[in-house]
Amino acid sequence: DAGITQSPRHKVTETGTPVTLRCHQTENHRYMYWYRQDPGHGLRLIHYSYGVKDTDKGEVSDGYSVSRSKTEDFLLTLESATSSQTSVYFCAISDVLGAGNTIYFGEGSWLTVV
Amino acid sequence: GQQVMQIPQYQHVQEGEDFTTYCNSSTTLSNIQWYKQRPGGHPVFLIQLVKSGEVKKQKRLTFQFGEAKKNSSLHITATQTTDVGTYFCAGNTGTASKLTFGTGTRLQVTL
Repeated sequence: DAGITQSPRHKVTETGTPVTLRCHQTENHRYMYWYRQDPGHGLRLIHYSYGVKDTDKGEVSDGYSVSRSKTEDFLLTLESATSSQTSVYFCAISDVLGAGNTIYFGEGSWLTVV
Repeated sequence: GQQVMQIPQYQHVQEGEDFTTYCNSSTTLSNIQWYKQRPGGHPVFLIQLVKSGEVKKQKRLTFQFGEAKKNSSLHITATQTTDVGTYFCAGNTGTASKLTFGTGTRLQVTL
């Protein structure tokens, strides 16, 4: 498995509180991604990064922000968590875009917003 | 935006039966990838197809990319309990594009 560590792995939080999920990689890959996985929706891209301090929105970015201050770390922040953000969050990495960009996933972070 | 749909959403088979999942894109793809996610686990890359009409095999798994590069299929021959999981297709539309994942097909195999 690729060297990707997500933390925390499980979290329960209250509506309206801020939450930060961390992704750390040891592969020195350029691209990092945050996906959420929900039944019936598959994997949906929230945000991605193509370099330090370079990020862009995915298809479900509302309510989320990201930061990448170092190559190895990519943070996902829910500024004010809502119940609709209860999900499994996967960090992923790749070294290229387009054809050949095999994506390696972390173990996932289970977030419950009550 | 690009959409990738998979059917069926769920299939339950007896061990030894065959299984097929189909992936359909709203746009022409430059390549397609397949991933497998075991229950409670994370998606793991299986294979990539690039050429129109391409067919690749991995033991009991056969992957096919359609002639128009808008659809793909994964066929498992003689399923085993180790095949249990959710299978995702994911496609790229260009050289600098990000992958768009399909909705996934969950496979359950019983003895």
